[in-house]
Amino acid sequence: DIQMTQSPSSLSASVGDRVTITCRASQSISSYLNWYQQKPGKAPKLLIYAASSLQSGVPSRFSGSGSGTDFTLTISSLQPEDFATYYCQQSYSTLGYTFGQGTKLEIK
Amino acid sequence: QITLKESGPTLVKPTQTLTLTCTFSGFSLSTSGVGVGWIRQPPGKALEWLALIYWDDDKRYSPSLKSRLTITKDTSKNQVVLTMTNMDPVDTATYYCAHGTSSSSHAVDYWGQGTLVTVSS
Repeated sequence: DIQMTQSPSSLSASVGDRVTITCRASQSISSYLNWYQQKPGKAPKLLIYAASSLQSGVPSRFSGSGSGTDFTLTISSLQPEDFATYYCQQSYSTLGYTFGQGTKLEIK
Repeated sequence: QITLKESGPTLVKPTQTLTLTCTFSGFSLSTSGVGVGWIRQPPGKALEWLALIYWDDDKRYSPSLKSRLTITKDTSKNQVVLTMTNMDPVDTATYYCAHGTSSSSHAVDYWGQGTLVTVSS
């Protein structure tokens, strides 16, 4: 299995801050890395696919980068609606598309 | 407009088999590159990828759950069915149906609303 490790597990930040979340794969996954946002009681929402492609309708303050084993999700200027839990997911392995453990972004 | 909706029991007993159905609209599972899968989330915990079936009947399973899972599709009914055997209380979770395509790196671009399944005697 490919293991996905996110850091940090939780993060406190203020509106307007620049925030970066990291995801590391246990082996190379090329650019098959996706990012999701989940709010309480809701299904996740796709933000970024293929490491850096912005999903249609997602604000441009969200961006993704990386390839191989190390990836980042950056929010350039936090808005109130961005406080949520974020997950990375690899979609490279034919054995299954595993998720990271999540990063909870809270208001400072 | 793509929509997916999960249906099935809300309560199952330990050792029973769970059968969940995903009924979708707005796309065809016979279109090249399209896949429909299942993802679950125990209360307060992280997402867990379970299984996926592609337009060409290629099937993928979580290695840790592979022995308990079966995914099938009925293209004519626009449905995908997941069965999970030998249910245990640790399988209590919200189960999501999910759509993805190879053109978007197999990411889940559409999700069902989720259905909470509780395993208890």
